[in-house]
Amino acid sequence: QKEVEQDPGPLSVPEGAIVSLNCTYSNSAFQYFMWYRQYSRKGPELLMYTYSSGNKEDGRFTAQVDKSSKYISLFIRDSQPSDSATYLCAMSASGGYQKVTFGIGTKLQVIP
Amino acid sequence: GAVVSQHPSRVICKSGTSVKIECRSLDFQATTMFWYRQFPKQSLMLMATSNEGSKATYEQGVEKDKFLINHASLTLSTLTVTSAHPEDSSFYICSAPGVGGTAYGYTFGSGTRLTVV
Repeated sequence: QKEVEQDPGPLSVPEGAIVSLNCTYSNSAFQYFMWYRQYSRKGPELLMYTYSSGNKEDGRFTAQVDKSSKYISLFIRDSQPSDSATYLCAMSASGGYQKVTFGIGTKLQVIP
Repeated sequence: GAVVSQHPSRVICKSGTSVKIECRSLDFQATTMFWYRQFPKQSLMLMATSNEGSKATYEQGVEKDKFLINHASLTLSTLTVTSAHPEDSSFYICSAPGVGGTAYGYTFGSGTRLTVV
């Protein structure tokens, strides 16, 4: 079983839709949770990060962590064609210079 | 914000040759650099961690003699793929912790697409 499971998609939605991206994990030691966006042939860029359980909102993006279910989500409101990219969840057991485990990434396409 | 410059972005080399990939932190000092490999339809896999002034730490299954890592200064880390073979063709990405060194602030390079023919 992989430590982090993520549906690779692709996920196609119309412009303006609410997008829900999810990951599950098996390692209960994970406490730091991140979402990265990766455009084709580019390195990932950090979108959101959360510590432990709870919600965090930043503009059109909301990250949720449910440690009891080992489940994290990223919601994108009013999706735009420019949001079309691959979204990777990532997790770490601690801060500092610690190993980060990535999901496979979900490819999202927002259709105008 | 923190920027990691990675070069080259794309390289095609013949089997048996060596390829060097450079990552530079442009506006901050990176005492640590993480090197990842990403195969198509697979997640980023950590290969090794380089630390300025000391030997790199390699993940299990990664050949240290094949993937030579050098962290020559606080702003430069290099990965050399020696005697490259077609199975080494992949997307290689470096990443450095941001200011404060927390897992939150990892900054990635733009990646290097290596094709070995």
